Amino acid sequence: QVQLVQSGAEVKKPGASVKVSCKASGYTFTGYYMHWVRQAPGQGLEWMGWINPDTGGTSSAQKFQGRVTMTRDTSISTAYMELSSLRSDDTAVYYCARTRSSKDMDVWGEGTTVTVSS
Amino acid sequence: DIQMTQSPSTLSTSVGDRVTITCRASQSISSWLAWYQQKPGKAPKLLIYRASSLESGVPSRFSGSGSGTEFTLTISSLQPDDFATYYCQQYSSYWTFGQGTKVEIK
Repeated sequence: QVQLVQSGAEVKKPGASVKVSCKASGYTFTGYYMHWVRQAPGQGLEWMGWINPDTGGTSSAQKFQGRVTMTRDTSISTAYMELSSLRSDDTAVYYCARTRSSKDMDVWGEGTTVTVSS
Repeated sequence: DIQMTQSPSTLSTSVGDRVTITCRASQSISSWLAWYQQKPGKAPKLLIYRASSLESGVPSRFSGSGSGTEFTLTISSLQPDDFATYYCQQYSSYWTFGQGTKVEIK
C-alpha cells in the first residue's frame, strides 16, 4: 500500500540543525511532489515547501527560505528536510505529504516530533 | 500571500447534527481548495479536493461546495468518529491552511 514512513523524534539545541527523512513505498517516488508541513504544539498546519523528486527542484515558503534544505535520494525513495539555525519556536511535528496532479495532499507521513530546547 | 480564514474556531455539536464549516480566502482561488480532518496525535486526512470532489473512501456524509473566495464543508449527520479538527487549504498560489475548526461534543 502507499505509505510514507518518517524518521524518529529528535531533540536539538538552539542553533543546531535537524534532518528529517521520509521514505516512500507503494508508488513511483519520482511521480509525485513531496511537501513538508509542520504543526507547533496546539497550533495549526504550516506549509514549508516542496521538492520534485524527479528533478530535485525545490520551492519553499518565504518564511523558511535560507534555513530549509530539501533533498532526495531516488535510489531509496526517500526525501529529506533539513532545517538549520533552530529556535525554540521550531518545536513542532514535521510531516511529509505527497501531492497529486490536482495539488492536494493525499498521502501523509506519520509525523516527526522535533523538540528544540537548551 | 493568500490568507485562509475558517469559522467557527470551535463547534459544539451532537451526534446526528448537520455541521457546516466555512472557509474564506483573501482573494479568489477558483476551486483550488481542499478539506482535511485531523485527530489528536495523527496526520491530517484528505476529505475533499477541488472544493467539492470527495476523496475515495471518505463517507458520503461529507460534502464540499463553493468557489472563488467562499467555501463550505458540510457533514450531513455527524457520527462519533467525526469529532476532530478540520482544516481548509488553498493551493491556487503555493499552499496555505486555515487555522482549523475543532468539532467537539456538546
